Amino acid sequence: QMHLVESGGGVVQPGGSLRLSCAASGFSLKNYGVHWVRQAPGKGLEWVAFIRFDGSKTDYGDSVEGRFTISRDNSKNMLSLQLSSLRPEDTAMYYCATDLYNWNAFEVWGQGTMVTVS
Amino acid sequence: DIQMTQTPSSLPASVGDRVTITCRASQSISRFLSWYQQIPGKAPKFLIYGASSLQSGVPSRFRGGGSGTEFTLTISSLQPEDFATYYCQQSYSSPWTFGPGTKVEIK
Repeated sequence: QMHLVESGGGVVQPGGSLRLSCAASGFSLKNYGVHWVRQAPGKGLEWVAFIRFDGSKTDYGDSVEGRFTISRDNSKNMLSLQLSSLRPEDTAMYYCATDLYNWNAFEVWGQGTMVTVS
Repeated sequence: DIQMTQTPSSLPASVGDRVTITCRASQSISRFLSWYQQIPGKAPKFLIYGASSLQSGVPSRFRGGGSGTEFTLTISSLQPEDFATYYCQQSYSSPWTFGPGTKVEIK
């Protein structure tokens, strides 16, 4: 069965940095594009970033462009999201999710990792 | 950016009810529309893509429809495990945007 597991969340001061990881089990992540989606406490879902299966293309939401960087290491079956210049409004649960090919939809989700900027 | 809206924001219902949620896009998105279910404290679950294609393993009581700017999610006979918040999401153009959610709650 396909599973994703996020890690690396925590409490960080405004202006600080954090690196989130997303690891796959039960399947090879190298065959999938991967998104990050976040959810502020009590709020809705917001798409954050995307990386193509081979790392050749990345895309970011307007609110994180220039501050967050998505990358992947297919040899380790995992990927990362580097968060920099963090703001209180970046406080959220961060989920990684596989991309449903050709549909830009979010198929398999991890359980999330919480980031608090305070 | 494409804006997504959902109505209603809250939907009181009972087990066995037929419920319908409407999602509208600020411009035509053809059939590039997905639906997700989220139970409090859990990650979202992928239900439907391409406006009406059911993801593997999703019960057939869930049905999606629509195209262009107006879409619907219908649950034909609400089950106890269906009380949750439902989000639509457009995958027509980046940035990929979600609706604000519809909470289906116990009447």
